[in-house]
Amino acid sequence: SQTIHQWPATLVQPVGSPLSLECTVEGTSNPNLYWYRQAAGRGLQLLFYSVGIGQISSEVPQNLSASRPQDRQFILSSKKLLLSDSGFYLCAWSVINEQFFGPGTRLTVL
Amino acid sequence: QQQVKQSPQSLIVQKGGISIINCAYENTAFDYFPWYQQFPGKGPALLIAIRPDVSEKKEGRFTISFNKSAKQFSLHIMDSQPGDSATYFCAATTAEGGSEKLVFGKGTKLTVNP
Repeated sequence: SQTIHQWPATLVQPVGSPLSLECTVEGTSNPNLYWYRQAAGRGLQLLFYSVGIGQISSEVPQNLSASRPQDRQFILSSKKLLLSDSGFYLCAWSVINEQFFGPGTRLTVL
Repeated sequence: QQQVKQSPQSLIVQKGGISIINCAYENTAFDYFPWYQQFPGKGPALLIAIRPDVSEKKEGRFTISFNKSAKQFSLHIMDSQPGDSATYFCAATTAEGGSEKLVFGKGTKLTVNP
């Protein structure tokens, strides 16, 4: 069966510090991968998606970037965090329409 | 045209009652309509989904009703239980371009009182 992992589960970072969130998927090959952000009590905002290794599409201009170095690994990064980057970050994978979410990373920028 | 409008924003139902959440869309290219359930601090979980070639899909106490001509779909939770208290998101997608990007509604916070 397929499993999606995200780490860390929670993170508190100062403004201006770098960020690296990692997502890995097991049990499937060549999935589409997605990064979402969810502000407190709000909906889901698609940040990036990838249809293959090295292929990244950005949905919203921001100071975040994404990379896909391996088929089942998706990384969300920032060189300098802003207060507005706080939120709940969700990785997801999909095959044939059905999209499945990871457990999420709660990021607080102070 | 890419929006999915969801209502109500919050809903309070008594145990045993019926919870109804509605969504509407504009893009006729959408061809897959899932519903997600999210508990606090957790990632959304796929609950039930429908394609536009059927008007209704039922899984246990959860039913999706789909009206293609009106471009609306709804989630009905029968015999609502306190454990159903969560935030529900409708979504829509099309596989054009190969990305299968979901467009989400803004969510409905459901509270089922015991």
